[in-house]
Amino acid sequence: GENVEQHPSTLSVQEGDSAVIKCTYSDSASNYFPWYKQELGKGPQLIIDIRSNVGEKKDQRIAVTLNKTAKHFSLHITETQPEDSAVYFCAASKVGSGTYKYIFGTGTRLKVLA
Amino acid sequence: NAGVMQNPRHLVRRRGQEARLRCSPMKGHSHVYWYRQLPEEGLKFMVYLQKENIIDESGMPKERFSAEFPKEGPSILRIQQVVRGDSAAYFCASSPSPQTGLTGELFFGEGSRLTVL
Repeated sequence: GENVEQHPSTLSVQEGDSAVIKCTYSDSASNYFPWYKQELGKGPQLIIDIRSNVGEKKDQRIAVTLNKTAKHFSLHITETQPEDSAVYFCAASKVGSGTYKYIFGTGTRLKVLA
Repeated sequence: NAGVMQNPRHLVRRRGQEARLRCSPMKGHSHVYWYRQLPEEGLKFMVYLQKENIIDESGMPKERFSAEFPKEGPSILRIQQVVRGDSAAYFCASSPSPQTGLTGELFFGEGSRLTVL
């Protein structure tokens, strides 16, 4: 069935360094790839997304890249800050298929050390 | 400009009792999704509903779990005869109709945390 793998499960970086989280999806029909940030005790919040017709998207310190051929997509956070510490989830979906159902990765717990 | 509202935020039940979790979608959204998050794990899809209709329940356990989204009122996720393994955070998300929505974004609530003693 549909599957999204996410690595690493935990990531610790020094403040100011970059963080990279990688995901792989199995369903080649997936065309929408959002990234969510979940802080302790809160619901997931969308931080950036990318569609399959785009290879890269950037929003300030956050960027996402997509390799459709390899079915890989990655989240890049530059100049990390303590408030970036959270759990990050990638997901894959098929927009236009009549549903917004997401298949989520297992999450990456990011710790930014001051 | 309320977002997705879930209640209760925390619910404690003893084994064998029933749990009812409610979700009111964002204004203008007609579609609701329920996800379950076990401790230290990711979000697992359970069910997708629109008003008065279950679209996809492929992630729902076959027994004890049911969901509805009536014409009036919130969506409800119902767990009968709860067991300790049901302890988890249950998240609701909403979206506009996929046929009319401009993006694929799901908007999540803050979750309902169920503890089964």
